[in-house]
Amino acid sequence: DTGVSQDPRHKITKRGQNVTFRCDPISEHNRLYWYRQTLGQGPEFLTYFQNEAQLEKSRLLSDRFSAERPKGSFSTLEIQRTEQGDSAMYLCASSLARGREGELFFGEGSRLTVL
Amino acid sequence: AQTVTQSQPEMSVQEAETVTLSCTYDTSESDYYLFWYKQPPSRQMILVIRQEAYKQQNATENRFSVNFQKAAKSFSLKISDSQLGDAAMYFCAYRSGSGSARQLTFGSGTQLTVLP
Repeated sequence: DTGVSQDPRHKITKRGQNVTFRCDPISEHNRLYWYRQTLGQGPEFLTYFQNEAQLEKSRLLSDRFSAERPKGSFSTLEIQRTEQGDSAMYLCASSLARGREGELFFGEGSRLTVL
Repeated sequence: AQTVTQSQPEMSVQEAETVTLSCTYDTSESDYYLFWYKQPPSRQMILVIRQEAYKQQNATENRFSVNFQKAAKSFSLKISDSQLGDAAMYFCAYRSGSGSARQLTFGSGTQLTVLP
């Protein structure tokens, strides 16, 4: 399968714990995005990488959130000291820098439940 | 900041009929892109159709077409000959065409039900 893959698909954690999500983009895609989606809402942008450089961060991305993309391949999104408000679907997407603008390829998401 | 509004939380259509989903947006930019994405239940979001703001001609992709009204800042999606597989959440999205901003701004979505 050459699509965007995310792991884990579901994570249940207790408030205050740290969680990490991984995203493996389509191999030739150099752009990678993280979005958060809560129930009944559209995805909200969190952050964007071009290769290994984190070029944009949303104001939604508090100090408890950190994202990395070492070597410009897979990416991780870590949430420290989770809060109940962090419960959401975390979506990863990738695209080609020279592809059709705005054509993002999404993964199936990682659902986080904070108890 | 740009905003995208989808005023129809739910829509339904009979199989083989035509349905139109509405979207309006607010921007002060002249160069931008608009999109419709489809999110089937428990599956990943996929791009349905895209429109460059500088193009006057409405985009079409098989049974999917848009009505892009730039002055009115309206971008509706028409699905012709609806099929059961079209049932999904549909999101309208906006992307700036200038500067380095790469993120999409999404609306809140329209849940489409296709009735057999």
